[in-house]
Amino acid sequence: AQSVTQLDSQVPVFEEAPVELRCNYSSSVSVYLFWYVQYPNQGLQLLLKYLSGSTLVKSINGFEAEFNKSQTSFHLRKPSVHISDTAEYFCAVSENNAGNNRKLIWGLGTSLAVNP
Amino acid sequence: SQTIHQWPATLVQPVGSPLSLECTVEGTSNPNLYWYRQAAGRGLQLLFYSVGIGQISSEVPQNLSASRPQDRQFILSSKKLLLSDSGFYLCALQSGGANTQYFGPGTRLTVL
Repeated sequence: AQSVTQLDSQVPVFEEAPVELRCNYSSSVSVYLFWYVQYPNQGLQLLLKYLSGSTLVKSINGFEAEFNKSQTSFHLRKPSVHISDTAEYFCAVSENNAGNNRKLIWGLGTSLAVNP
Repeated sequence: SQTIHQWPATLVQPVGSPLSLECTVEGTSNPNLYWYRQAAGRGLQLLFYSVGIGQISSEVPQNLSASRPQDRQFILSSKKLLLSDSGFYLCALQSGGANTQYFGPGTRLTVL
């Protein structure tokens, strides 16, 4: 059965420091991988996704994530964070052979707190 | 582009009262639609999903129900709210054959 583990529930970091939010998954088939960001009292926004091709995917605001099949990981990184990156980050996985009924399996989220 | 509307944005209801939350989407046809609940600011729980008009799949047995009367409308209902129904309710869509889900702005429900 699929599962997603976000290894850190909270990550405090100082502004302009690098950050890594970890995500590991388990699945017996090939998967699609997603990172979403949620600001307080808002819906989730897609940050980046891996469907196929290059294992390194990037967002427009400086985040990147690398799909590592051997380690079943999809860690999110940013070399220099801003105060505005403070938010909840969710990792999600779906099987790429699920037909039309495509559900995402979600991690519990990582709260990123960027301090001045 | 796709747009998801949720109404109302916030709601305070007494225990035992009925509930109706509405989700409407624009800019797409025949999407998969989803209702999630997020309690205590953490974690997403899939409640219902729908692949078409009148087609509802329930993920968690509870006092909530869902309906899809039109292609772009998804409604979450309850006949009698419980305290445990409090939370942030999110509607999402998936379309075009990709697995990517897009979320609405959410409804904050407080049951007192």
